[in-house]
Order: sequence, then C-alpha cells, then structure tokens
Amino acid sequence: DSGVTQTPKHLITATGQRVTLRCSPRSGDLSVYWYQQSLDQGLQFLIQYYNGEERAKGNILERFSAQQFPDLHSELNLSSLELGDSALYFCASSPGTSGITDTQYFGPGTRLTVL
Amino acid sequence: GESVGLHLPTLSVQEGDNSIINCAYSNSASDYFIWYKQESGKGPQFIIDIRSNMDKRQGQRVTVLLNKTVKHLSLQIAATQPGDSAVYFCAENNAGNMLTFGGGTRLMVKP
Repeated sequence: DSGVTQTPKHLITATGQRVTLRCSPRSGDLSVYWYQQSLDQGLQFLIQYYNGEERAKGNILERFSAQQFPDLHSELNLSSLELGDSALYFCASSPGTSGITDTQYFGPGTRLTVL
Repeated sequence: GESVGLHLPTLSVQEGDNSIINCAYSNSASDYFIWYKQESGKGPQFIIDIRSNMDKRQGQRVTVLLNKTVKHLSLQIAATQPGDSAVYFCAENNAGNMLTFGGGTRLMVKP
C-alpha cells in the first residue's frame, strides 16, 4: 500500500458526460500528479500540482482540468467524455522537496469506462 | 485483473533464474531514472532509481545499470520469484518532475 488513495475504483459513464476523480496524497506529500494509462498510449503524464498550485502540464486535453485543495487532496475533472477517454487514471504523490529525485508513489487508480 | 498493454514485449524466465529487463530512453539530458513494477489491477510501484552521475545501483535482489553513451537502462532481478511477475516500466525525469514512461515489459515467471 503506497498511502495514496483514489476514489472511485471504477466508473462507468456515457459519452458527453462529466466525471470527477479524487485523490488523497500520502501524509506529508505536497505534490500530486495525474497520469492516464491506456492500452495504446501507455502511461502518460497529465498534470502536476504542488501545494495547491499548478506546477507542470503534460498531455492534458482542454476538456480535462484538475485542482489541488488546501487539504492537499486533488480532483481531476473530465468533461465531454469520449469513448477514447476510457482508461486507467492514476494519481501519484511525492514530498515535493527533493527536486528531480522526488520519488512518486502511485495510487491504485480509477478505471474509467465511457460507453 | 486489469490488462495493461496487451502487446507488451514479454520476458519469460524460470523461477530462480536471473532476469534482465531492458529499456531505451529518449532524452540524453535526462538526469534521473526510475524502475516501476505494476501488478495486475494495481498502480505502479517504485522499485529502484538511479541518477545520471551513476552507472550502477543495487537494491534488494535488484540492480539498475545505466549506460548514458547508448541511452540504455536495465533492471536485473536476482533469483526471480513468482511474485516478481508483473509489468515493469522504466521512467525518465527530463523536465522537472514530469516522468516519461517507457512502454513496459511483461515479466512472466514459470514455476
């Protein structure tokens, strides 16, 4: 158990809908990262937050947004869902204090299925 | 369990043998490399890391080798066990803390 929690574990929805994925980082970690894992794209970095502020952005679609709250939990919002958004979504957290060697610890993921 | 990468390269080894998983990375400026293990239905789990100023690092039953000349990373697992069966990803940190993951290799351990 990495100490990172994600809810829900599974989510099934329809095209055009909007969903929110939730992540609670490890105790004491200030950085939260979101990744998408699909069969054809592998693990792709989406976005990073550090202590409530956006720190880095990867291959995140404009239909997707995220935020980190004062209690450091984070939410990933996915809107106007398409079939191709079906994937595993992982949250990771790190202390945020060790520069590039800040080890990221991953949660168990949320499996999103868009029908 | 979840299916991760149906068409991943697969390494099949006998229990007790040593395993070597290879990875080619893309950015010669990358400064930090990590190996993750992902079991079916779970998130990636940190195994071992190495900085670019090193060429070898050892952990418990695992060793990571880095060859910067050819941009190659390998993970060696000694005395492979059934519990080592998983998908293994290398990742490079080449832009702040944004990890870029390789495609993964599936390790299957035969009893």
